[in-house]
Amino acid sequence: AQTVTQSQPEMSVQEAETVTLSCTYDTSESNYYLFWYKQPPSRQMILVIRQEAYKQQNATENRFSVNFQKAAKSFSLKISDSQLGDTAMYFCAFIRNFGNEKLTFGTGTRLTIIP
Amino acid sequence: DARVTQTPRHKVTEMGQEVTMRCQPILGHNTVFWYRQTMMQGLELLAYFRNRAPLDDSGMPKDRFSAEMPDATLATLKIQPSEPRDSAVYFCASGDRNSNQPQHFGDGTRLSIL
Repeated sequence: AQTVTQSQPEMSVQEAETVTLSCTYDTSESNYYLFWYKQPPSRQMILVIRQEAYKQQNATENRFSVNFQKAAKSFSLKISDSQLGDTAMYFCAFIRNFGNEKLTFGTGTRLTIIP
Repeated sequence: DARVTQTPRHKVTEMGQEVTMRCQPILGHNTVFWYRQTMMQGLELLAYFRNRAPLDDSGMPKDRFSAEMPDATLATLKIQPSEPRDSAVYFCASGDRNSNQPQHFGDGTRLSIL
């Protein structure tokens, strides 16, 4: 069974600074997908970024980027130029295949951006 | 944009009452998932369906919870009788192998059992 661990329950950072959220996972699979989801107070689950395990290049979406270390089973999220709207819970998640499998989530990191 | 629709958004009821939560998956998606989110347990899978057939409901307390898909446009999650420990946010998500993300989430139902 897959497990996802987020060791930082809470983080805070000043607006415009850079912050990195950590995630580690455990799996015996060689092909899989990793995700970061954002959950603001509205409680929507918003996909921030995805990474395919077979891709060596780290995914980037505007101010969001990941550091994917497959051998170390590490998948951190970097948020650059943080904004007040980035305040939210962030969940790391794992799935083997799209379409018919559940997502395995970490316990989340509550990120607060300080004005 | 197509969305997963969940009703009600909020539900407050007394212990012992029946609760029904509904979900309309995105048209064409053939898998539907029910997740429960609590402070203590985080996000956990309760059950999921593919082509309306239940694939896994091992995360669901069978004595009081039931999940069904009467048709392709409706999934339901029922709790009878409800207990205070069932208080949580319940998310429905739908997925398709060809989608750009594994699952599309509804906005959740916040359930409070008094």
